[in-house]
Amino acid sequence: DTAVSQTPKYLVTQMGNDKSIKCEQNLGHDTMYWYKQDSKKFLKIMFSYNNKELIINETVPNRFSPKSPDKAHLNLHINSLELGDSAVYFCASSQASLGYTLVTQYFGPGTRLTVL
Amino acid sequence: AQSVSQHNHHVILSEAASLELGCNYSYGGTVNLFWYVQYPGQHLQLLLKYFSGDPLVKGIKGFEAEFIKSKFSFNLRKPSVQWSDTAEYFCAVNYGGSQGNLIFGKGTKLSVKP
Repeated sequence: DTAVSQTPKYLVTQMGNDKSIKCEQNLGHDTMYWYKQDSKKFLKIMFSYNNKELIINETVPNRFSPKSPDKAHLNLHINSLELGDSAVYFCASSQASLGYTLVTQYFGPGTRLTVL
Repeated sequence: AQSVSQHNHHVILSEAASLELGCNYSYGGTVNLFWYVQYPGQHLQLLLKYFSGDPLVKGIKGFEAEFIKSKFSFNLRKPSVQWSDTAEYFCAVNYGGSQGNLIFGKGTKLSVKP
């Protein structure tokens, strides 16, 4: 069974479109994350949710809106896509304890977004 | 600002050579340290982690890393690499109290020649 899954794996779209990427984890974790990996392989956190509540919101354009319908899902919706949004987006999850103490994050397979 | 540096962008080795990949982090008090590996076309997988205790940490596939607090370093080592170790290696740091935020280095690409 896949622990952290993302759909779709590949997404090719035109500038200006709106798209969503879905993430699901079956690990029973209460914290989920979205990371962006650019063309130079640099990974940067975008958002983090703990028990459906936003706890990290890095400097990301407000065209990006995460939504967590429940603890097992964290979806990423992107409005008005731009060329610079092309990247690989990784979802991850972990189980927080002692407040926000970090434990190991488990990553999904990534979604390669290409904006034409 | 909190940051993680991986000094080697691309390392090329022959099989059976020894490997050491550098990772340094900026000072920030308590840290949790990780090495992740990304094989070509695949997602990130955890190699090893350090939270506390013995600063020499052993991970999967024969990898180990040593936390040297005085040098703010967490270098990854393997005594004898294999062709299958060809991948991108990422060092990541969580600064205590930063609400789970992982800060990644820019990665080191390892190419192992058969």
